[in-house]
Amino acid sequence: EADIYQTPRYLVIGTGKKITLECSQTMGHDKMYWYQQDPGMELHLIHYSYGVNSTEKGDLSSESTVSRIRTEHFPLTLESARPSHTSQYLCASSEAQGAFEQYFGPGTRLTVT
Amino acid sequence: AQKITQTQPGMFVQEKEAVTLDCTYDTSDPSYGLFWYKQPSSGEMIFLIYQGSYDQQNATEGRYSLNFQKARKSANLVISASQLGDSAMYFCAMREKKGGATNKLIFGTGTLLAVQP
Repeated sequence: EADIYQTPRYLVIGTGKKITLECSQTMGHDKMYWYQQDPGMELHLIHYSYGVNSTEKGDLSSESTVSRIRTEHFPLTLESARPSHTSQYLCASSEAQGAFEQYFGPGTRLTVT
Repeated sequence: AQKITQTQPGMFVQEKEAVTLDCTYDTSDPSYGLFWYKQPSSGEMIFLIYQGSYDQQNATEGRYSLNFQKARKSANLVISASQLGDSAMYFCAMREKKGGATNKLIFGTGTLLAVQP
């Protein structure tokens, strides 16, 4: 079973607030990813990282930013939350070799009022 | 461009029966990977099964099997002996490969499966 954690699981916050969504994995995976998913819709990649100090933007444009200072930690930050940021955010990680299946965290459901 | 298509927005199946969830893909890369994930209402994504483009045999994992038809570019998921706990959204995904570095996944729109008692 994969060991990847996200906090908080649910967050309701007002417009203009700064928020950080936490993601940690204990598997030593080099590659980590952030996806955004609206209810009942597909996942869209917004950020990914190949390793420490490596971050790239994904296919879906996002106003969020990420950092990768430690292998196990890949937080996502929104400097000023807006209602359009309301969504589910899923963090994942994968090994650098093999089938590259991605293991997902439980997700953070964000609501911006 | 690489693309995953799932044409069934929703499916019903009777408990203990088998069900097939369709997935077609489009890619010009000869090396790729295909995945199926299950997403229950709680929201987490659960990895089910993987098929590599060079694998000769269809992948199987317990009650899950992947019907891989390379010429048709299809990778259908077959769930045998459906259980009530199988009710969930199911996503087909393809691993993108550009120079062997990215390993990004492209997801389909999903199929909502409802297992009826």
